[in-house]
Amino acid sequence: KAGVTQTPRYLIKTRGQQVTLSCSPISGHRSVSWYQQTPGQGLQFLFEYFSETQRNKGNFPGRFSGRQFSNSRSEMNVSTLELGDSALYLCASSLVFQGAPEKLFFGSGTQLSVL
Amino acid sequence: AQTVTQSQPEMSVQEAETVTLSCTYDTSESDYYLFWYKQPPSRQMILVIRQEAYKQQNATENRFSVNFQKAAKSFSLKISDSQLGDAAMYFCAYRGIQGAQKLVFGQGTRLTINP
Repeated sequence: KAGVTQTPRYLIKTRGQQVTLSCSPISGHRSVSWYQQTPGQGLQFLFEYFSETQRNKGNFPGRFSGRQFSNSRSEMNVSTLELGDSALYLCASSLVFQGAPEKLFFGSGTQLSVL
Repeated sequence: AQTVTQSQPEMSVQEAETVTLSCTYDTSESDYYLFWYKQPPSRQMILVIRQEAYKQQNATENRFSVNFQKAAKSFSLKISDSQLGDAAMYFCAYRGIQGAQKLVFGQGTRLTINP
């Protein structure tokens, strides 16, 4: 069974541009979440989707948005990029949304560099 | 808001020896889950072990075990018979009852294994 796939693995953008990152969860998994990882702030929760609905959102500005499609694939979008958005963006998937914690499976991330 | 603190930015251990990584957390919830994740150079986060707060028995997974002290809000990870493949960043994480994937992570501990 294929793992969580994130594309692209590396991305270079300039300030003011927008970017879309993609995440394909493990087949059958319906819950997807996104995390931002930076050396300074560490790992921070961005948002969580289940059945195409956003269930939780972290403390990030409105420039960060996401969505989930009917096949559970998810995208996150960052508009008007700032230098501080440079980070590793990790996606995770699990079978369900609530209850006893299902094992989270993480992808290898997308490394975004904003110049 | 919940917080997770890892006070050891770096640790090193000789191969085959035992090492303990520290983690403390702060929460007002009575029921929650705690995790240790490993992040090797491949960047993919891998679940090492998890603990349900309502269980008094410490979790064990092969060479990995935890010392969970609920009253002290402490959750340390012990790695026995350290192997070169254990070298990685280790993150302690907290999850409340609500939200399957909203994890709060500590800042991480970089573990080096000396041959």
